[in-house]
Amino acid sequence: KAGVTQTPRYLIKTRGQQVTLSCSPISGHRSVSWYQQTPGQGLQFLFEYFSETQRNKGNFPGRFSGRQFSNSRSEMNVSTLELGDSALYLCASSLGSGTTYGYTFGSGTRLTVV
Amino acid sequence: QQQVKQSPQSLIVQKGGISIINCAYENTAFDYFPWYQQFPGKGPALLIAIRPDVSEKKEGRFTISFNKSAKQFSLHIMDSQPGDSATYFCAAPQGSNYKLTFGKGTLLTVNP
Repeated sequence: KAGVTQTPRYLIKTRGQQVTLSCSPISGHRSVSWYQQTPGQGLQFLFEYFSETQRNKGNFPGRFSGRQFSNSRSEMNVSTLELGDSALYLCASSLGSGTTYGYTFGSGTRLTVV
Repeated sequence: QQQVKQSPQSLIVQKGGISIINCAYENTAFDYFPWYQQFPGKGPALLIAIRPDVSEKKEGRFTISFNKSAKQFSLHIMDSQPGDSATYFCAAPQGSNYKLTFGKGTLLTVNP
């Protein structure tokens, strides 16, 4: 059974650019959540999608956005990149919406902004 | 913003010893408290979780103890092994059932 696939694994971008990250959940999982992980702040919730609808959003500026497609695959976009956006971006999928289903995380996309 | 407070930040244990990591959470209407284990270069992996209709759950060498009145839960790793060396995160659903709030993590090192 394939796990959660995130692409690309590594990315280097310049300040001011925008970036799109992709997440393919486990087959049959309909919920996708995104987290940002940094050494200082730890794991911070970005947003969660279920059946193409955003169910919840964390405390991030509007530069961070996402969407989910009918096949449950999800993308997140960061516009006007800042140095502080350098982080590991993690996608987690679950069978249903709600944390009690349990998350399966991907290996993440390491974004470096220079 | 509601928080999950995790301690200690780092922990060094000898092989065969017991590792104990603690977490405290704020009010939550949802009862599901997982622990995740993360190795370098990997995403966090669900290790064990508890729904506090019980005060303790054990899976192999890993045990969660839960104290609902104190809003605290802890992870015990018995007979710690060098392969257990990783970062451990506790989490709780806070404010909404659609997101998990994570502790800041505990870097566990098990010396051989």
